[in-house]
Amino acid sequence: DQQVKQNSPSLSVQEGRISILNCDYTNSMFDYFLWYKKYPAEGPTFLISISSIKDKNEDGRFTVFLNKSAKHLSLHIVPSQPGDSAVYFCAASYSYTGNQFYFGTGTSLTVIP
Amino acid sequence: DAGVTQSPTHLIKTRGQQVTLRCSPKSGHDTVSWYQQALGQGPQFIFQYYEEEERQRGNFPDRFSGHQFPNYSSELNVNALLLGDSALYLCASSSVGTGGAGANVLTFGAGSRLTVL
Repeated sequence: DQQVKQNSPSLSVQEGRISILNCDYTNSMFDYFLWYKKYPAEGPTFLISISSIKDKNEDGRFTVFLNKSAKHLSLHIVPSQPGDSAVYFCAASYSYTGNQFYFGTGTSLTVIP
Repeated sequence: DAGVTQSPTHLIKTRGQQVTLRCSPKSGHDTVSWYQQALGQGPQFIFQYYEEEERQRGNFPDRFSGHQFPNYSSELNVNALLLGDSALYLCASSSVGTGGAGANVLTFGAGSRLTVL
């Protein structure tokens, strides 16, 4: 049972434009969400996180939005750069399980120069 | 500062064999989690070790077992390998300490690619 879903396997964006990656979850008990970026032959690297007490978190070009009522989060990258081309995973956890994370299937982002 | 290191990077086994994968956590981290990433899927939680004990376990059979050593490094063992065990096995470390909140960021290694023939 996939509790975290990324319904877009791939996304292509022109350099300088905004990239929007989406993620949906089914478990309302999730209270902490992260985005990871993965390059080929490397492990996922942490990008940005958000707690359920917030609806937005910003870090430089990256902003994550959380809509708890819709059980939806999104990652905005502005402006997009060719180096952002990677697979992006969203992940969720709920506090009582410590840091066991549930991952989506990933979205492959290609930023076209 | 070395991050999470895993070995071996690639290995090939046949059905029924056993495999051991190794992980050294990032310096300063005391907790190790193992994830399985099948082709085209996201990482799936196998288990987590803290203070040399299995603290949490995902939905994986007993053929998957692990160990954490006093220096925080860890091993993942898989017995009686099946074709479906072919995957990238990711080790992730974090610094949970005595806390239990899911507010810690995982640092991942590059993974061990297991192919079962």
